[in-house]
Amino acid sequence: GQSLEQPSEVTAVEGAIVQINCTYQTSGFYGLSWYQQHDGGAPTFLSYNGLDGLEETGRFSSFLSRSDSYGYLLLQELQMKDSASYFCAVSYTGRRALTFGSGTRLQVQP
Amino acid sequence: EAGVAQSPRYKIIEKRQSVAFWCNPISGHATLYWYQQILGQGPKLLIQFQNNGVVDDSQLPKDRFSAERLKGVDSTLKIQPAKLEDSAVYLCASSGPGLQETQYFGPGTRLLVL
Repeated sequence: GQSLEQPSEVTAVEGAIVQINCTYQTSGFYGLSWYQQHDGGAPTFLSYNGLDGLEETGRFSSFLSRSDSYGYLLLQELQMKDSASYFCAVSYTGRRALTFGSGTRLQVQP
Repeated sequence: EAGVAQSPRYKIIEKRQSVAFWCNPISGHATLYWYQQILGQGPKLLIQFQNNGVVDDSQLPKDRFSAERLKGVDSTLKIQPAKLEDSAVYLCASSGPGLQETQYFGPGTRLLVL
């Protein structure tokens, strides 16, 4: 089956920058998405990369390298409210439904 | 616009009982998804509908799970009979005419099977 790998936990301080990496299986790859989920909440869409390069949305940026089967989510100027789980999710050609990673739990400390 | 609605929010049942979840997607969204999220894991797709047709149900345990979207709007997911390992949050999501990867999730139904 298709699998994704991302770190299970990351800790950072307020105001810092953190990068969450994601590697995926290449076969049939279409695009890489990122979702945020607070404890007890629903996943919310953050960004999508269909092409190589950087996509920027405010404090959040996402990067994709199709040749390396790798992407990352970059969070800048961290705030306490950014403490949440972050999931990378892959869509595949012909099957555009998302396959989610296991998530990275980000803890932002004062 | 109103978001994805789900009910009930919580359900506790005993194993071997049946349970049903309901979802109403965002108005105009043709694609509807049901995901299962076990604690500490990412959401896992159970079934995807396009209008009232099934696009992908490859990961749906069909011996006990069923889902329908008869009129292409709201949907129900049923488990019969439930097992202990079905304890999870069941998330419904929908996507519209834009990027299919932009999915809008409902609040989920938290199921506990005893």
